[in-house]
Amino acid sequence: QVQLVESGGGVVQPGTSLRLSCAASGFTFKSYAIHWVRQAPGKGLEWVAVISYDGSNKYYADSVKGRFTISRDNSKNTLYLQMNSLRAEDTAVYYCAKDRGPYGNSGFDYWGQGTQVTVSS
Amino acid sequence: QSALTQPASVSGSPGQSITISCTGTSSDVGGYNYVSWYQHHPGKAPKLMIYDVSKRPSGVSNRFSGSKSGNTASLTISGLQAEDEADYYCSSYTGSSTWVFGGGTKLTVL
Repeated sequence: QVQLVESGGGVVQPGTSLRLSCAASGFTFKSYAIHWVRQAPGKGLEWVAVISYDGSNKYYADSVKGRFTISRDNSKNTLYLQMNSLRAEDTAVYYCAKDRGPYGNSGFDYWGQGTQVTVSS
Repeated sequence: QSALTQPASVSGSPGQSITISCTGTSSDVGGYNYVSWYQHHPGKAPKLMIYDVSKRPSGVSNRFSGSKSGNTASLTISGLQAEDEADYYCSSYTGSSTWVFGGGTKLTVL
């Protein structure tokens, strides 16, 4: 069965960095695009970023562009999100979500349970 | 990209039907047949219920159906059951592999 397990969340101060990981299993990881989606406290879901199956294409929400970097290691079946210059408004539960296709334009079919990121002084 | 508009809450009694709307623009909902719906129980992984406007993944009950008219998509749940109580989110493709979500709707089964 498809499993996505996020890790790396925590409490950090504004302006610092954090790297999230998403370990995948139960499907051919290298064949699918993967997304990061977040949910701030009391808010709805917000799409953050996507990376294509081979890592050659990456797209970001305007709210994180220039600060966050999505990457993947297909040899380790793992997705990453490097988050720099963190702000209080980045506080959220971060989910990784598998796309139904290789390029990130087919929609999300499986999600992890999320990892909490809290940015606070 | 602005979030899609969903009602904050809907409710219904067991056995009844409810519909949740998801309103966007011609740049998202109206421009692509890539609207999906997710069921989310807090603390758990969201679950795909409908994709490509009206398609149901294997294993999802046929009590769940989706449709779209213009810039508004809808999720209908018939024969409401207690376990349907959850938050529901719509999402739409917006081009160049980017996506937008609705604000979420809390479904209460009375």
